[in-house]
Amino acid sequence: DAKTTQPPSMDCAEGRAANLPCNHSTISGNEYVYWYRQIHSQGPQYIIHGLKNNETNEMASLIITEDRKSSTLILPHATLRDTAVYYCIVRPQGAFTGGGNKLTFGTGTQLKVEL
Amino acid sequence: NAGVTQTPKFRVLKTGQSMTLLCAQDMNHEYMYWYRQDPGMGLRLIHYSVGEGTTAKGEVPDGYNVSRLKKQNFLLGLESAAPSQTSVYFCASSYQTGSPIQETQYFGPGTRLLVL
Repeated sequence: DAKTTQPPSMDCAEGRAANLPCNHSTISGNEYVYWYRQIHSQGPQYIIHGLKNNETNEMASLIITEDRKSSTLILPHATLRDTAVYYCIVRPQGAFTGGGNKLTFGTGTQLKVEL
Repeated sequence: NAGVTQTPKFRVLKTGQSMTLLCAQDMNHEYMYWYRQDPGMGLRLIHYSVGEGTTAKGEVPDGYNVSRLKKQNFLLGLESAAPSQTSVYFCASSYQTGSPIQETQYFGPGTRLLVL
């Protein structure tokens, strides 16, 4: 899987948009960008994923640059409950392989949402 | 729709004792996984299953066994617990969809295990 680089921490005021960047300059053409988050002491939670087009769902928006070397996760109106570690992961598309389709979590970005 | 559930939430064992962690999912997913997470480290894959009746080793399988007798359940067993197995254990399940195929994993709330 391609390596990702994220800032270790970010702060955001409640009600404002949180923009979390991720660099994946070695991404290959068949690799998706996935975002997960882990709220303290809970299981990781899937947020969104994309290949090359921007994506939006009820939780967030994902903006992928045209060259696909970086992306930004946007939480449009952050709340205190969005305080968590956010992980950007790149994964190959395609069918499940015999090696185990495990997720490789890096160190992520600790987002702290404050009043 | 409960998603992925794990039982128990917390357990304390003495060295040498055995136990079974249960993972259940109600999403009809084919694939299931067991991970462990230790302080300051990422998730590490213990075992996984690509369907009912099948299991395979992940990156840290030693000291653990698994079974998938029913599609919705994935059991993780510790035959003789050791202090090094103190960790938080997460189960996940997934499905594949779309063209090109994509896969999204959904996680349970975790089981905290302390081995004394």
